[in-house]
Amino acid sequence: GQNIDQPTEMTATEGAIVQINCTYQTSGFNGLFWYQQHAGEAPTFLSYNVLDGLEEKGRFSSFLSRSKGYSYLLLKELQMKDSASYLCAVSDSNYQLIWGAGTKLIIKP
Amino acid sequence: GAVVSQHPSRVICKSGTSVKIECRSLDFQATTMFWYRQFPKQSLMLMATSNEGSKATYEQGVEKDKFLINHASLTLSTLTVTSAHPEDSSFYICSARSGEGDTGELFFGEGSRLTVL
Repeated sequence: GQNIDQPTEMTATEGAIVQINCTYQTSGFNGLFWYQQHAGEAPTFLSYNVLDGLEEKGRFSSFLSRSKGYSYLLLKELQMKDSASYLCAVSDSNYQLIWGAGTKLIIKP
Repeated sequence: GAVVSQHPSRVICKSGTSVKIECRSLDFQATTMFWYRQFPKQSLMLMATSNEGSKATYEQGVEKDKFLINHASLTLSTLTVTSAHPEDSSFYICSARSGEGDTGELFFGEGSRLTVL
C-alpha cells in the first residue's frame, strides 16, 4: 500500500531551527510537496521537490532523497506565526497526491 | 501566486437540505480541480477530481449521488452536498492546479466549514 509517515507533533523554541521529517512508500514518484496549514484554514504551498537535494526558499528549505524515500522540511529562525501543521504529500505514478497526516508544530517563546 | 476563491466560507444548514459550495480560479484556467474533506485533526482526504466538461472522478467510498460535482467552465467547479446530515459536517477544501501537465503547484481555496444541524 501507499504510505506517508511524519511525526504527529513537534515543539520548538522561537528563533531556533526545526526539521520535520517525512518518509514515503508510494507506487511511483512524481514529486513531493510540503504545505503549511494553520488551524481552520486551507493549506498553503511551501515547496516542491522532484530531484534529490536541497531547495532553499528564505527561512524554509526542503530536502529530498528519492533512493531513501525521505524528505525533510527545515525551518530556520522560527517565529510564533510558524505554529501550524505541516503536511507532506507525494505525487504518485498517476499524479495522485498521497497526503501525510501532518505534523503539528508548536513554537514556544 | 494564483488565486483560488471558495464560497461560502461558513454555512449552517438544517438536516435534509442541500448546500452548494463554489470554487473559482480567479486568474488562471484550471482544467482540473480537486475537492477534499478534512475532519478535525486529520489530514486532507481527496473526495473527487473534477474535470472541466466531463464527469468527476470519485474516490472509493465517496457517494457521487451525495456529493454532486459540476465543472462547467475552466474557472468554476461546484460541490453540492445533497440531503445533508450531521455526519456531513466537515471542512471542505477545493484546489486547482496551475500550469501545464500534472506537476504544477496546487492552489487551495480558503475552505468551507459546513455545519449540519
